[in-house]
Amino acid sequence: DIQMTQSPSSLSASVGDRVTITCRASQSISSYLNWYQQKPGKAPKLLIYAASSLQSGVPSRFSGSGSGTDFTLTISSLQPEDFATYYCQQSYSTFTFGPGTKVDIK
Amino acid sequence: QVTLKESGPVLVKPTETLTLTCTVSGFSLSNARMGVSWIRQPPGKALEWLAHIFSNDEKSYSTSLKSRLTISKDTSKSQVVLTMTNMDPVDTATYYCARTYMTTVTYADYWGQGTLVTVSS
Repeated sequence: DIQMTQSPSSLSASVGDRVTITCRASQSISSYLNWYQQKPGKAPKLLIYAASSLQSGVPSRFSGSGSGTDFTLTISSLQPEDFATYYCQQSYSTFTFGPGTKVDIK
Repeated sequence: QVTLKESGPVLVKPTETLTLTCTVSGFSLSNARMGVSWIRQPPGKALEWLAHIFSNDEKSYSTSLKSRLTISKDTSKSQVVLTMTNMDPVDTATYYCARTYMTTVTYADYWGQGTLVTVSS
């Protein structure tokens, strides 16, 4: 099975900060990598698919990059509504989620 | 619009079998590009993918839970059913169903609201 790791597990940031979250796969997954945002008590929301494609309706401050085993999610200027937990997910071989990165207010 | 809604018991006893139903609308379970996954999330913990069913009825399961899971669909009723046998308190979680869309990759673009299942005697 493909294992996913994320770093950091949590971070504190201020509104306006640039935030980068890293996701690593245990083997190459090409670009079969998706990113989700989850707020407390809510279902996850798709942000990025295929490593770098922005889902319709998602603000352009969110971007994704990477291929193979290493991927990043970047929020260019953190907004109050972006405080949430972010998960990566591989869909190269069945599906696996990463452990999540919680972004909270500094 | 696309919606998914999970239904099932809120409380099950240890060793019992859990049956959850995902009722979808706004798309067809026979659409070649679409499938449905079940994902769960224990309180305060991460998401865990459980099972997936494709439009052609092909199924895939989490390796660690494969022996306990069965996924099926009734296209005419727009429903996907997940059964999990031998429930344990560690299976207490919010269970989500999600539509998956297949292009160059597969991703979950619509999610149900989730249903909290507690396992306790």
